[in-house]
Amino acid sequence: KNEVEQSPQNLTAQEGEFITINCSYSVGISALHWLQQHPGGGIVSLFMLSSGKKKHGRLIATINIQEKHSSLHITASHPRDSAVYICAVKTTSGSRLTFGEGTQLTVNP
Amino acid sequence: SQTIHQWPATLVQPVGSPLSLECTVEGTSNPNLYWYRQAAGRGLQLLFYSVGIGQISSEVPQNLSASRPQDRQFILSSKKLLLSDSGFYLCAWQRDRPNEQFFGPGTRLTVL
Repeated sequence: KNEVEQSPQNLTAQEGEFITINCSYSVGISALHWLQQHPGGGIVSLFMLSSGKKKHGRLIATINIQEKHSSLHITASHPRDSAVYICAVKTTSGSRLTFGEGTQLTVNP
Repeated sequence: SQTIHQWPATLVQPVGSPLSLECTVEGTSNPNLYWYRQAAGRGLQLLFYSVGIGQISSEVPQNLSASRPQDRQFILSSKKLLLSDSGFYLCAWQRDRPNEQFFGPGTRLTVL
């Protein structure tokens, strides 16, 4: 079992829909990251959070430390949101990130 | 501001040939540096990380090696490439507070 599990693996939505991507982890963490990987491969850090909730534009990330679960929400989705979204955790025992397998999001016009 | 560079952007190499991928960071000093590989359809895998000049930690056994000859330079090498070395290679740097990682643009390597 992977230390970081994402669901769903693939997600197709219509423009304007509200989207949720989930991430569960089984280790102690000091921080959780949400990353966005564009079709060309480049990776952008969207959020880093250790508690509560963060919002940036149409993106919202939440984390529940007790339940070891985080969600990434996209409101009013747009085709340009199509990308792979990756959850990564920084464990309390080291300086490395452990990655989920990613969620491929496709938003159709 | 800090920037991270990788080159080349794409590379096609025959099996058995050597490899050298370079990563440089600007605008920061003594960063932690990381090499990741992403095989087709797979998640990111940490290959090497470095906390300082000449200090390299390897995460998985393989025919790749890494070196850090200067504070802001991280090099990924191989003496003889294998088909299984094909993938997308990402370099990243990490700042201390907060512990956030920033990724380079990546190198897409195809071994034929």
